[in-house]
Amino acid sequence: DTAVSQTPKYLVTQMGNDKSIKCEQNLGHDTMYWYKQDSKKFLKIMFSYNNKELIINETVPNRFSPKSPDKAHLNLHINSLELGDSAVYFCASSPLGQPQHFGDGTRLSIL
Amino acid sequence: QKEVEQNSGPLSVPEGAIASLNCTYSDRVSQSFFWYRQYSGKSPELIMSIYSNGDKEDGRFTAQLNKASQYVSLLIRDSQPSDSATYLCAVKDTDKLIFGTGTRLQVFP
Repeated sequence: DTAVSQTPKYLVTQMGNDKSIKCEQNLGHDTMYWYKQDSKKFLKIMFSYNNKELIINETVPNRFSPKSPDKAHLNLHINSLELGDSAVYFCASSPLGQPQHFGDGTRLSIL
Repeated sequence: QKEVEQNSGPLSVPEGAIASLNCTYSDRVSQSFFWYRQYSGKSPELIMSIYSNGDKEDGRFTAQLNKASQYVSLLIRDSQPSDSATYLCAVKDTDKLIFGTGTRLQVFP
């Protein structure tokens, strides 16, 4: 299936831990994104990569570090998790400047 | 800070009626506008895009854009219970999308 796929779908962990979320797209898109959707359903851009290069870096704590090993993958590593990091994290991809297609999301819960 | 505003709802309409969802945006130079539908617990799904003033129709959906008033709307004709979801308005800002907080639509039989 052609898609944007994220793993894991659910992530439950303790405050202070470090965790990673992986994203892969097989749509051939050049650009990938990470969005955060909070408990009020507000969806906000965090990062964007175009052909493995960082092009958008919104005001995000430096505990969050994206990595793009190739243009089909964009991973998100989070250090020292805090309660406020609980949210749904969506990966998305698109041709540059085109509407974005979203993955199914990773629901992160911090205990 | 560029903003996109939507009424959070819920907007309740009976089955078969027209649902009208509205969105305003703050950046006068915005050129590209999108409507996403998000079912509870699911990811946003692109349903309409519009770039020029006027109406754009796709099946039961019509997007309307008025750049002078900085206003974009989505009409859903013959609303069905399966249309019950949150509808997110998004405005393109360089290479990213700025989303509104969404309007929850409830279509009752």
